[in-house]
Amino acid sequence: DAMVIQNPRYQVTQFGKPVTLSCSQTLNHNVMYWYQQKSSQAPKLLFHYYDKDFNNEADTPDNFQSRRPNTSFCFLDIRSPGLGDAAMYLCATSRDVGVVHFGSGTRLTVV
Amino acid sequence: QQQVKQSPQSLIVQKGGISIINCAYENTAFDYFPWYQQFPGKGPALLIAIRPDVSEKKEGRFTISFNKSAKQFSLHIMDSQPGDSATYFCAASSLRVGGATNKLIFGTGTLLAVQP
Repeated sequence: DAMVIQNPRYQVTQFGKPVTLSCSQTLNHNVMYWYQQKSSQAPKLLFHYYDKDFNNEADTPDNFQSRRPNTSFCFLDIRSPGLGDAAMYLCATSRDVGVVHFGSGTRLTVV
Repeated sequence: QQQVKQSPQSLIVQKGGISIINCAYENTAFDYFPWYQQFPGKGPALLIAIRPDVSEKKEGRFTISFNKSAKQFSLHIMDSQPGDSATYFCAASSLRVGGATNKLIFGTGTLLAVQP
């Protein structure tokens, strides 16, 4: 089945230690999104790629970066994770303005 | 203006009953209103969506009612089942001015528990 796959499902990192979360998709969608979902809160858009063009949301901290080396893969880099960055990180895709499909997420714990 | 307000925060319904979740928005540029269902440990999955040119959309036991003048929309789950127990998020986006993307603004979610 075509889908959005996130690895790992659970990630534990140390305070201040860089961490990378991965997302791959077999849908061949041109848009990829990263959302942050804190406990009992709504998903919040961090940034998205339209093809190779990176688009940052205005209130996304500089601590969060992203890379998209090709259509299928997208990475979320957190340069210096703080305790407040503990959350579920959701990758999603769409073809232009079409339906947005989400992965199962990576739950990040910062210790 | 970018907010989507959702209520109630939590909802308990008996099996076979009707679950109703409401959302309201301010931004008149929004033109796409999906509902997502999220089970614990999973990402949100699209349940049903509506565009503002219709007032109601039904898919099986799930119905969206849309009131453009009031800027409100709601999800009705008929014959609610224990398997419907999940968190439900409404969302909105502006497909016309979103830069050829579908940037969703989510409501705060409703935790639905359907009791057997």
